[in-house]
Amino acid sequence: GAVVSQHPSRVICKSGTSVKIECRSLDFQATTMFWYRQFPKQSLMLMATSNEGSKATYEQGVEKDKFLINHASLTLSTLTVTSAHPEDSSFYICSARLGLVAQYFGPGTRLTVL
Amino acid sequence: DAKTTQPPSMDCAEGRAANLPCNHSTISGNEYVYWYRQIHSQGPQYIIHGLKNNETNEMASLIITEDRKSSTLILPHATLRDTAVYYCIVGAGANSKLTFGKGITLSVRP
Repeated sequence: GAVVSQHPSRVICKSGTSVKIECRSLDFQATTMFWYRQFPKQSLMLMATSNEGSKATYEQGVEKDKFLINHASLTLSTLTVTSAHPEDSSFYICSARLGLVAQYFGPGTRLTVL
Repeated sequence: DAKTTQPPSMDCAEGRAANLPCNHSTISGNEYVYWYRQIHSQGPQYIIHGLKNNETNEMASLIITEDRKSSTLILPHATLRDTAVYYCIVGAGANSKLTFGKGITLSVRP
């Protein structure tokens, strides 16, 4: 099946620092990737849609200057949380589109901001 | 995208079939029914999807009613590792946004 990886799986950082999370499609090319976050005991919330070679589309309420998304190749999208604060602590998950129908998800990145 | 309604939880015995229902009465003609599951602290796992016809793969079967207003995910022989939150989602292809509801928590008991 289609495999999507994320790196790192866990990260702890100090408040005010920036953190980059990578999302890779390992065995397929993905022109479109998606970024979600999930707070404890809640469901996944879509943050943005990342398209290769173009700007990301952000969901309402998601600050594009705080959550920088780059999709420079067909197998890699990155999410950078800039000037992270404790309220940004969450589980960040990416997905990649395969073909016309299905999305496949990465294992997630647990971010803890101290 | 159309919304879905799922019971909050259900359980079944190990080795028995687990039938997970989902209502999507406002589904549009071009919208697919997707099922994903999420085991604690992991990313969602794709299970199956369908448009009109029933579908089966190595993981599960998807039964869609003729009017497409509801569907059932069937895990034919549930194991303890199938304990997870199962999400039924409706969307118009992979580029459409997947809106995750609360899902249904399936607990498989020994």
